[in-house]
Amino acid sequence: DVKVTQSSRYLVKRTGEKVFLECVQDMDHENMFWYRQDPGLGLRLIYFSYDVKMKEKGDIPEGYSVSREKKERFSLILESASTNQTSMYLCAASGGDRVFEQYFGPGTRLTVT
Amino acid sequence: DAKTTQPPSMDCAEGRAANLPCNHSTISGNEYVYWYRQIHSQGPQYIIHGLKNNETNEMASLIITEDRKSSTLILPHATLRDTAVYYCIVQGAGSYQLTFGKGTKLSVIP
Repeated sequence: DVKVTQSSRYLVKRTGEKVFLECVQDMDHENMFWYRQDPGLGLRLIYFSYDVKMKEKGDIPEGYSVSREKKERFSLILESASTNQTSMYLCAASGGDRVFEQYFGPGTRLTVT
Repeated sequence: DAKTTQPPSMDCAEGRAANLPCNHSTISGNEYVYWYRQIHSQGPQYIIHGLKNNETNEMASLIITEDRKSSTLILPHATLRDTAVYYCIVQGAGSYQLTFGKGTKLSVIP
């Protein structure tokens, strides 16, 4: 099974801080994704990457950036955290053309105060 | 517009088969049906997917009607650990995004 790990389960940051969320997968999968999940809004795609150094915007990229320097690692960066970025952040990975067979990490619950 | 319709909640007795229905009457010929579940406080978990044939894996079976307008996910012997929200997702090529609806909250009762 694909294992996707995220650097923290819970994180508390202050408004204006730069925040790094790290995601690592161990199955050499090409595609990696960052979602956020909020009550009543479901999962929303922030960014995805289909190869090293490649990235595409999802539905809600504003206020976020990403980095994929190595195939196994996909980082989500909040340049200046705001309270409306308080959310559950989920990373996922999938292989090649099996785009929608996504394997998710446990999530990071980020609180911005 | 929602592509799928699922009942908001269902109960199932432990050890019994759980049959979770999904309507997708507007599905097009090249769209697949995917099922995921999300156990409380965890990330979603991929279960199974299919195009038009029935599919089975170690977790579940997927039955798709001949007209492809509906499907049923079957957990053959539900356990308490199967309590989760189950999402039926219709997905085709041309997008990388999984679109999760509201799903069905399945409660497995001892």
